[in-house]
Amino acid sequence: AQKITQTQPGMFVQEKEAVTLDCTYDTSDQSYGLFWYKQPSSGEMIFLIYQGSYDEQNATEGRYSLNFQKARKSANLVISASQLGDSAMYFCAMTLDSNYQLIWGAGTKLIIKP
Amino acid sequence: DAGVTQSPTHLIKTRGQQVTLRCSPISGHKSVSWYQQVLGQGPQFIFQYYEKEERGRGNFPDRFSARQFPNYSSELNVNALLLGDSALYLCASSLGDRGREDTQYFGPGTRLTVL
Repeated sequence: AQKITQTQPGMFVQEKEAVTLDCTYDTSDQSYGLFWYKQPSSGEMIFLIYQGSYDEQNATEGRYSLNFQKARKSANLVISASQLGDSAMYFCAMTLDSNYQLIWGAGTKLIIKP
Repeated sequence: DAGVTQSPTHLIKTRGQQVTLRCSPISGHKSVSWYQQVLGQGPQFIFQYYEKEERGRGNFPDRFSARQFPNYSSELNVNALLLGDSALYLCASSLGDRGREDTQYFGPGTRLTVL
């Protein structure tokens, strides 16, 4: 069965430090996509970054990068130079070519300390 | 460009009532997906529609139904509301034809409280 695991329920990080949020996935499909979303307290789910299973380069989007290790089935999100506005819930999610729904992890609550 | 819009933003209902939630996708997007997010958990997939046809259904009872209109907007209906239906209901739109690369963009959500 397809599954996303986020093992860090919560993290505290000092402002301006880099932070890594862990995500492991489980699927027997060879073709899949991995996504990270940010959910502030307002509730809206904000798309951050995407990595395809066949992409050889790690995805980057501004201060966000995705550390994709296919053999280990991990897709960790790295936020460089964290800011107070980064405080939010972060969700890792997966789609398959055979199934268009997003499969979600339980999320990590990130709090940036000034 | 306007993002995904949802209405209403908040809703309070009593057990046994029926509710309709509405969603308008980003212009040019042909797919709409619905998710339920209970407090403290990740979202759970309810439905996906593409070109007005149901393309996927999650593990939800038949009390949940949806449809997509010719302008690609969508409605989610929930009948015979239960206390456990209290949640944030998220609508997402996407192009719908990109397979695993089809990025879903979300609206602000509708927070449903069932008393």
